Amino acid sequence: QSALTQPASVSGSPGQSITISCTGTSSDVGGYNYVSWYQQHPGKAPKLMLYAVTDRPSGVPDRFSGSKSGSTASLTISGLQAEDEGDYYCSSYSNSGTPAWLFGGGTKLTVL
Amino acid sequence: DVQLVESGGGLVQPGGSLRLSCAASGFTLNTYKMHWVRQAPGRGLEWVSHSSEIGANALYGDSVKGRFTISRDNARNSLFLQMNSLRVEDSGVYYCAREGGVPGDFDWWGQGTLVTVSS
Repeated sequence: QSALTQPASVSGSPGQSITISCTGTSSDVGGYNYVSWYQQHPGKAPKLMLYAVTDRPSGVPDRFSGSKSGSTASLTISGLQAEDEGDYYCSSYSNSGTPAWLFGGGTKLTVL
Repeated sequence: DVQLVESGGGLVQPGGSLRLSCAASGFTLNTYKMHWVRQAPGRGLEWVSHSSEIGANALYGDSVKGRFTISRDNARNSLFLQMNSLRVEDSGVYYCAREGGVPGDFDWWGQGTLVTVSS
């Protein structure tokens, strides 16, 4: 059960777009469309932002979008806003014999 | 409104045990899969355990397998995590999370309970 790979940090100015990648294997990201993304602010619980690669829960702005190519999933935030700053984690269902759920190491987004 | 409230965390010595609880409200617990996810201080999220809707199926992360046991009491709207043979590296905030309609879609999280394993 190895963690998914995310960049440690990304940054962007208000109004710009950023993309965070999440790389796994054919047993997780590449094998299932069960990738989700979470936003976490300091001292708070994670919040679901995207699930099933591209779907947004009710209340999440459409500035947040997701995609997947092979074993790499991506989260794109367009029209960056100050409140988008925080940590972002990807997660994927995994099954290389026994079901499990993997998280990425997290990416710190800084809005300049 | 959906609410998940964890409790039971605290300071415990290495080798000790703790039992975490998660009180669920605002939804019917027996229709949802539930998970425990933890976060070591200053670190990322780590999946710990999964329980099927009626508790018939339990899954564990490699780092806790054989030491932790997940259970639930749907009649009391509660999820539990029995943690035995605790290690320093088990320290962190433990969250219970509800899985929505898609595997890994953790759509609601509690506020977490802090576990500190130290001598």
